Amino acid sequence: EPEVTQTPSHQVTQMGQEVILRCVPISNHLYFYWYRQILGQKVEFLVSFYNNEISEKSEIFDDQFSVERPDGSNFTLKIRSTKLEDSAMYFCASMRAPGAAGELFFGEGSRLTVL
Amino acid sequence: GENVEQHPSTLSVQEGDSAVIKCTYSDSASNYFPWYKQELGKRPQLIIDIRSNVGEKKDQRIAVTLNKTAKHFSLHITETQPEDSAVYFCAASGGDDYKLSFGAGTTVTVRA
Repeated sequence: EPEVTQTPSHQVTQMGQEVILRCVPISNHLYFYWYRQILGQKVEFLVSFYNNEISEKSEIFDDQFSVERPDGSNFTLKIRSTKLEDSAMYFCASMRAPGAAGELFFGEGSRLTVL
Repeated sequence: GENVEQHPSTLSVQEGDSAVIKCTYSDSASNYFPWYKQELGKRPQLIIDIRSNVGEKKDQRIAVTLNKTAKHFSLHITETQPEDSAVYFCAASGGDDYKLSFGAGTTVTVRA
């Protein structure tokens, strides 16, 4: 069964450093997302991406965050200058299409620890 | 934007009993309501979903009901088993955007 894959599974970084989290969505999916989950809290929407551009972003997704689809398979989330409060599990997700086929598939997550 | 409220935050049930989790949403344009189960340290996994043209859906021991007028939907787990212990999230999407907005989660503990 196809699945969303994410790397790294865990990254530890110093405050102020840049971090890139990588995702490979399911191959025939068209909509891509990043969500964040701080330990013990709910899953929070960060950004959605469709047709090679951001379609929506939350207030969490400030200028320190960016996303890119550098080739036909990868979808990356970059945090330019990490803060302590960026420590969380970051989930990539993809969807084939909204509507009748609107199931969202999550990756296993990348745990980011900022020291 | 969509705001999803979920209750209760924790739920402890005896094995074999039923568990019910309730959610409300704010955006009347929302038309897709999935439920996710998340085990400790794992990704959220879809367990059941319902669309706005349906009032109830059942899959073995789990069922979901939707009241569009009242803007609330519920998850029902019958004959609970220890492996049902997890965090359950409701979510809603639709309208002009295709993102899911999640509830705060319910930690379900099934006592053997």
